[in-house]
Amino acid sequence: ETGVTQSPTHLIKTRGQQVTLRCSSQSGHNTVSWYQQALGQGPQFIFQYYREEENGRGNFPPRFSGLQFPNYSSELNVNALELDDSALYLCASSTPGTGLMNTEAFFGQGTRLTVV
Amino acid sequence: GQQVMQIPQYQHVQEGEDFTTYCNSSTTLSNIQWYKQRPGGHPVFLIQLVKSGEVKKQKRLTFQFGEAKKNSSLHITATQTTDVGTYFCAGPAGNQFYFGTGTSLTVIP
Repeated sequence: ETGVTQSPTHLIKTRGQQVTLRCSSQSGHNTVSWYQQALGQGPQFIFQYYREEENGRGNFPPRFSGLQFPNYSSELNVNALELDDSALYLCASSTPGTGLMNTEAFFGQGTRLTVV
Repeated sequence: GQQVMQIPQYQHVQEGEDFTTYCNSSTTLSNIQWYKQRPGGHPVFLIQLVKSGEVKKQKRLTFQFGEAKKNSSLHITATQTTDVGTYFCAGPAGNQFYFGTGTSLTVIP
């Protein structure tokens, strides 16, 4: 196992609600990134945090926001949930390289979010 | 916008046959990483290539990074049932990170 833990593992929410997903990074890793993976597709990069600051962002609307804490754990918040937000949300931790995602990433098991 | 495409989308092989997946990016990537995702699992890092034209081997797996750093390939020699899964290439461009569309490999015993 990678040492990256995510909670909860499964979640069902109603359209319009807000959700918070959590991630604890592997020991020694101070960089966390989040991905959305729809069924049958590749992961889509949401954003990355390094030392509590966002240092990279994919093409996701502002209702997707995040936080990184001093212990390097992280949260992904999604407001005003839409049906299309139903997906597996993956968190990955890594050590910082010379740029964005320039080192091996260790993924958690993911949170399966269903929006009804 | 930026795209990272992989072909084929699906591949069924008899155990012992070889397998290759190709990855093509619309823009230059600073490095290419390969991940394997088993059904119901999470992506697992396989390797990272950084230099233009780089080739790396891991037992039966051979990875190449193109000269223009826009394409890559993964070749598996003599597939085994344990190779089943979806293989993704991925890499950073600008301040984003892109995963390929993936190739799902089925190995028939």
